[in-house]
Formats: sequence, structure tokens, C-alpha cells
Amino acid sequence: AQTVTQSQPEMSVQEAETVTLSCTYDTSESNYYLFWYKQPPSRQMILVIRQEAYKQQNATENRFSVNFQKAAKSFSLKISDSQLGDTAMYFCAFMLSGSRLTFGEGTQLTVNP
Amino acid sequence: DARVTQTPRDKVTEMGQEVTMRCQPILGHNTVFWYRQTMMQGLELLAYFRNRAPLDDSGMPKDRFSAEMPDATLATLKIQPSEPRDSAVYFCASGTLGRYYGYTFGSGTRLTVV
Repeated sequence: AQTVTQSQPEMSVQEAETVTLSCTYDTSESNYYLFWYKQPPSRQMILVIRQEAYKQQNATENRFSVNFQKAAKSFSLKISDSQLGDTAMYFCAFMLSGSRLTFGEGTQLTVNP
Repeated sequence: DARVTQTPRDKVTEMGQEVTMRCQPILGHNTVFWYRQTMMQGLELLAYFRNRAPLDDSGMPKDRFSAEMPDATLATLKIQPSEPRDSAVYFCASGTLGRYYGYTFGSGTRLTVV
């Protein structure tokens, strides 16, 4: 079974600074997908960024980027120029082709003014 | 933007009552998930469907939970009888096999059983 681990229950960052959230996963498969979801206080789960395991290039979406290290089974999220609206719970998720999402425990990020 | 619609948004019920949660997936999506979120267990998969057929419901307590897709525009999750330990946020998500853009989640139903 696949597992996803987020070792940082809480993090904080000053507005406009950069923060990195960590995620590791365990799988014996070679073809899979990784995601970061954001859950603000409204509780809506919002897809932030995705990465296909067969792609070596790290995904980037505006201020959000990932550092995907396939051999190390690591998938960290970097948020640049942090904004107050980035305050949320962030979940790392793993998915095999055509299957379910497996989530990590989440990291609560607080952006301070 | 297309969205997954869940109703009700919040539900308070008494122990022993039947609860039905509804989900309207995005039109054209062929895969529907039900997840439960609690502080203790995090996000757990309860069941999922592809082309309206149940693929996996091993995460669901079979004696009291049931999930169905009577048609392509409606998924339901029913609890009968409800218990205080069922208090959680229940999410529905939909997506399309072969298009791994990530599944789209509804805004959830917060269930409180007193």
C-alpha cells in the first residue's frame, strides 16, 4: 500500500517570504501522480499543483513550485512571495494511474503580516 | 468554472437518525469519490465509483453506510443509523479516468451527530 508522510504539522512564514513544505511517500510503482491540495478555513479542497512521475521537470504554477526527487521519494512544495491568503492546511497526495488519492496528514501554514 | 456540488453544507442530527448526503459531480466526469475528514484520522477514502459502478467501498462501515450512484448526475452517501463517531466532514470529488489533472472536490458536508 502507498503511504504519504508530511512531517511538519505546522509552519509559519512572514508575508512576502518563501516557505517550503515537505512530503515523502512510499511506493514500489514507477508510474504515478503527485499533488498538493490547499484547504483554507472555508474547508474547500483546492488543487494547487500536480506532478507526473515520468516527468523530470519540476512543475510550477505562478508562485508555487515543487521539488520532485523520484529516487528519494520526496515531493516538497515551495511557496514564493507568501500572501495572507496562502494561510491554509496543505495536503500532499499520491495517486496511481486510475486509482484513488492517498493523502498525507497535512501541514497547517500560517502567513503572518 | 465547473464545480462539484454537495448538499447539505451542514447537518446536525440526533443519534439513530438516517442521514443522506448528496453530490452532483462535474458533467462528463466518470469517477466519483467519497472521503471523510476528521481531526484524528485525516482524509479517509470511503468509496469510489467509475461509470456509476462501485469499485471500492472497503473504507466504509458496511453495517450502517451505503453509497450509490442512481444516475450520472447524482451520488449519495447514506448513514443509517447515525452515531456520534460519524461526526466529520464528508467530501465528494469527481474526475475523469485518463485525465490526471487532479480530482475536483466539493465543499463538503459537515455532519454533527448529537
